Amino acid sequence: DQQVKQNSPSLSVQEGRISILNCDYTNSMFDYFLWYKKYPAEGPTFLISISSIKDKNEDGRFTVFLNKSAKHLSLHIVPSQPGDSAVYFCAAFDGGSQGNLIFGKGTKLSVKP
Amino acid sequence: ETGVTQSPTHLIKTRGQQVTLRCSSQSGHNTVSWYQQALGQGPQFIFQYYREEENGRGNFPPRFSGLQFPNYSSELNVNALELDDSALYLCASSLKGVLPIHFGPGTRLLVL
Repeated sequence: DQQVKQNSPSLSVQEGRISILNCDYTNSMFDYFLWYKKYPAEGPTFLISISSIKDKNEDGRFTVFLNKSAKHLSLHIVPSQPGDSAVYFCAAFDGGSQGNLIFGKGTKLSVKP
Repeated sequence: ETGVTQSPTHLIKTRGQQVTLRCSSQSGHNTVSWYQQALGQGPQFIFQYYREEENGRGNFPPRFSGLQFPNYSSELNVNALELDDSALYLCASSLKGVLPIHFGPGTRLLVL
């Protein structure tokens, strides 16, 4: 049983348009969420995070939205650039051992010029 | 600031063998976590080390064990390798109690 779900394995977007990556979770004890980006042959790189006490966090072109009642979060990238092409992982933390993040399976984003 | 480094980058082993993977944490970090990423899956938590002791463990059998050294570097040991152990093994470091954790490039293990 997956506690963090990314139901879209892939997403293709035109350069300059908005990319929206979605993530659903089942455990209401999760109180912190993170997005990581992963290029081939590299480790995941931290992108942006959000605490459960907020519903939005913004960092440059990247915004994460959290809807606690729906147990849903999304990552918006505006405008999308070809260099954003990567696999994006959603991860959740339940307040225990902070190394123990629960990851989704990832969404592969392709941004076409 | 030096990031997380891991060695080796790739490794091929035979079923039943043992393997040791190594990780150097990012400078200033005192906590190390290990993850397994199978093909097509997200990273899965194996365990975390702090002050040279295991400080949290995921759903992995005892043949997965680890060490943390006084300089905060770490090792992941896997005994009696199985074909399903073929995966990318990721090390991550952080300060205790602080997110995010920062990943290294990983070691790709192939078990034949």
